[in-house]
Amino acid sequence: GDSVTQMEGPVTLSEEAFLTINCTYTATGYPSLFWYVQYPGEGLQLLLKATKADDKGSNKGFEATYRKETTSFHLEKGSVQVSDSAVYFCALRNSGNTPLVFGKGTRLSVIA
Amino acid sequence: NAGVTQTPKFRVLKTGQSMTLLCAQDMNHEYMYWYRQDPGMGLRLIHYSVGEGTTAKGEVPDGYNVSRLKKQNFLLGLESAAPSQTSVYFCASTLGDTEAFFGQGTRLTVV
Repeated sequence: GDSVTQMEGPVTLSEEAFLTINCTYTATGYPSLFWYVQYPGEGLQLLLKATKADDKGSNKGFEATYRKETTSFHLEKGSVQVSDSAVYFCALRNSGNTPLVFGKGTRLSVIA
Repeated sequence: NAGVTQTPKFRVLKTGQSMTLLCAQDMNHEYMYWYRQDPGMGLRLIHYSVGEGTTAKGEVPDGYNVSRLKKQNFLLGLESAAPSQTSVYFCASTLGDTEAFFGQGTRLTVV
């Protein structure tokens, strides 16, 4: 079945450091790919998405590019802030009416 | 616009007790999902529904039942709670291939 593998955390960075969270997937067909973020005590919210190969999703300074050749969707941000501290989930959906499949999440802590 | 609302937000149950978690969405979404979130396990799908009156099993359905009698509501039931069901439960809804909207979660402890 479909699956998502993302780097284990926790990740601790200093403010203004560069962030990369790796995500790779296994799926049949052409899934849509997502990054969700969960702030402490809250539900998940969509951070960005990409629906086809070579698409780049971006939001709030975060970016991720859909790489079909490497089956990857790595999350990057050039300069993290303390307010970016959260858990980040990579996810895929293989068609419109199938459930999202999530990775295990990566906890990011940014220190001032 | 409330989005996705889960009730209750917190609950403590004794082993063997039953309860129902309610998820309500006001976005006219067709698809609704129940996930559980455990440390180191990410989100695992319990059950889902692709429309009113339909339900399907997810990855970890055992010990849970669901019903979708109205389009806007998706109920998750625990008939006989076990300590292994201690978790944070999230409901989500989508309209086709759009983003999923999540509720705030229900933190359940079974003692």
